[in-house]
Amino acid sequence: LAKTTQPISMDSYEGQEVNITCSHNNIATNDYITWYQQFPSQGPRFIIQGYKTKVTNEVASLFIPADRKSSTLSLPRVSLSDTAVYYCLVGGLSGGYNKLIFGAGTRLAVHP
Amino acid sequence: GAGVSQSPSNKVTEKGKDVELRCDPISGHTALYWYRQSLGQGLEFLIYFQGNSAPDKSGLPSDRFSAERTGGSVSTLTIQRTQQEDSAVYLCASSLTSAKDVRSGANVLTFGAGSRLTVL
Repeated sequence: LAKTTQPISMDSYEGQEVNITCSHNNIATNDYITWYQQFPSQGPRFIIQGYKTKVTNEVASLFIPADRKSSTLSLPRVSLSDTAVYYCLVGGLSGGYNKLIFGAGTRLAVHP
Repeated sequence: GAGVSQSPSNKVTEKGKDVELRCDPISGHTALYWYRQSLGQGLEFLIYFQGNSAPDKSGLPSDRFSAERTGGSVSTLTIQRTQQEDSAVYLCASSLTSAKDVRSGANVLTFGAGSRLTVL
């Protein structure tokens, strides 16, 4: 199972772009990279998923280099409501078996 | 249902009592996961059900913990003889794993709101 490493915490200010990088050196061929966001007293919720190169949706972008050993979640122009814990998760189909292990996550604090 | 439903949302119990936590996944989701989250901590994997396969119980912290999934749908996590260190939020998630091709995407988990367990 691919292990992930993220910064424990980050601070930013409203309106700035935030980039959170996750390392996953032993990612497998079938593994996808998925990011989740968790607010206090809530379960995590899906933000974005990618396999390689760049993926963009209405809330974030995900950059994955060619070797796929890391990935960067980019949040454009953060607001106070983006204060949350962000988890990088690596896992895939692997024949249907998909035990998904979360890392410690990155606690993002957005300041006025 | 529209989302993953967990009950009870809050449970306060005395040390030594047994508790049952229920998870009702999204209809049609074949995979179901239980995680535990202590205050201020990350998610600790407990158990994973995939279709009719034997569950992966490798994350259960002790033999006081058990889980079952009846009919491939509802799951119950049981904690026997609760201890104070069992106090945490227990989160359930489900996903659809019908894709056979990596290009179709991997599991996306939908989480319930969790069951907060307090053991006095």
